[in-house]
Amino acid sequence: GAVVSQHPSWVICKSGTSVKIECRSLDFQATTMFWYRQFPKQSLMLMATSNEGSKATYEQGVEKDKFLINHASLTLSTLTVTSAHPEDSSFYICSARGQIDTQYFGPGTRLTVL
Amino acid sequence: DAKTTQPPSMDCAEGRAANLPCNHSTISGNEYVYWYRQIHSQGPQYIIHGLKNNETNEMASLIITEDRKSSTLILPHATLRDTAVYYCIVPNTGNQFYFGTGTSLTVIP
Repeated sequence: GAVVSQHPSWVICKSGTSVKIECRSLDFQATTMFWYRQFPKQSLMLMATSNEGSKATYEQGVEKDKFLINHASLTLSTLTVTSAHPEDSSFYICSARGQIDTQYFGPGTRLTVL
Repeated sequence: DAKTTQPPSMDCAEGRAANLPCNHSTISGNEYVYWYRQIHSQGPQYIIHGLKNNETNEMASLIITEDRKSSTLILPHATLRDTAVYYCIVPNTGNQFYFGTGTSLTVIP
């Protein structure tokens, strides 16, 4: 149980385009999901907290207009990277909060912006 | 910021127990300690969590000191597949996880 999926697993896009990443909790409902990004050889960095039916809370230094988060249902959150640039290339990982506040992580999405 | 500190790297012989320490000296009375691991290019995998009692599951054991300022994750019989970065996390009040640098465990044949 407690499986989280992400789609796509990898994406390559041109500079200036937008990319949407989906995060789904497959066998449980999650009122709260989180988005992280990870640069090579670094740790995960929390980007934002996503609550179902309300606006996401962004960490300091994360541009909310660039990284649009929508948590429209108890099993789906989406992250849209708008007007992507090469410096946005990273590994994006979501998690969903399950029982006893344990977070279950998705497999990640590798974004490469050319 | 992360509330935990861990050694950056450790080695362990295959088949032996791997003991991974974590310091969380500022932990408060109702905060849990969570352990995850991340194998290269994958999302973190949940291992175990605890409050103040020692915990054991099919993956590992968690030993928390009586003052709760530190803990140790024990992998009883390490295999090559246990090679990963191990993270010890104490969430903030909003259940947000701030990852530290973790411990890179290498299991040696």
